[in-house]
Amino acid sequence: QVQLQESGPGLVKTSQTLSLTCSVSGGSISSGGYYWSWIRQHPGKGLEWIGYIYDSGTTYYNPSLKTRVTISVDTSKNQFSLKLSSVTAADTAVYYCARSYYDSRGWGAFDIWGQGTTVTVSS
Amino acid sequence: SYELTQPPSVSVSPGQTASITCSGDKLGDKFACWYQQKPGQSPVVVIYQDTKRPSGIPERFSGSNSGNTATLTISGTQAMDEADYYCQAWDSSTAIFGGGTKLTVL
Repeated sequence: QVQLQESGPGLVKTSQTLSLTCSVSGGSISSGGYYWSWIRQHPGKGLEWIGYIYDSGTTYYNPSLKTRVTISVDTSKNQFSLKLSSVTAADTAVYYCARSYYDSRGWGAFDIWGQGTTVTVSS
Repeated sequence: SYELTQPPSVSVSPGQTASITCSGDKLGDKFACWYQQKPGQSPVVVIYQDTKRPSGIPERFSGSNSGNTATLTISGTQAMDEADYYCQAWDSSTAIFGGGTKLTVL
């Protein structure tokens, strides 16, 4: 049973870079066919997809955030990471990591989610 | 950019059928998924690829998708189904979420 766990600072200063890590257990991040995403949820609001990394290292980002986002993978640690630069209070949110896939029929769902980690941006 | 539109809230009496819609341009040409999120918890997928139910999801949850509208239907709604529901689709390798619908069971 694959599980995801986010980790990182809960408080980030304005204009700095938010850095989070998602640890994958119960399976290999390199097993193939999966897309590893970051998704956030502003307080009391809906879900916003940030981007994904494919096991080959290919990335794709939400166009609204792409100038500030970097997602990377460390296969030796079975982890993938998010960096969001130049943060403001508007980046305060719960950040989730999640897994999705693409099969012969097309895109699948985000079938596994981490528990989420709250990040507050403040000066 | 692609958008998915959901009603902010839906109310249903226990035992009745709840329907939550999700609208988007030619949404029927894409796969729609539905997630349930209860307060303080991570989202859980209840329907994927329009109509499929993951293992462990009760049979009372069903989905459809045609034209510009995907619909999540909960038959025989129970109090435990009260939650926020989000639709989601992929557009050009970008995941799009609807704004969410709060389902109230009263």
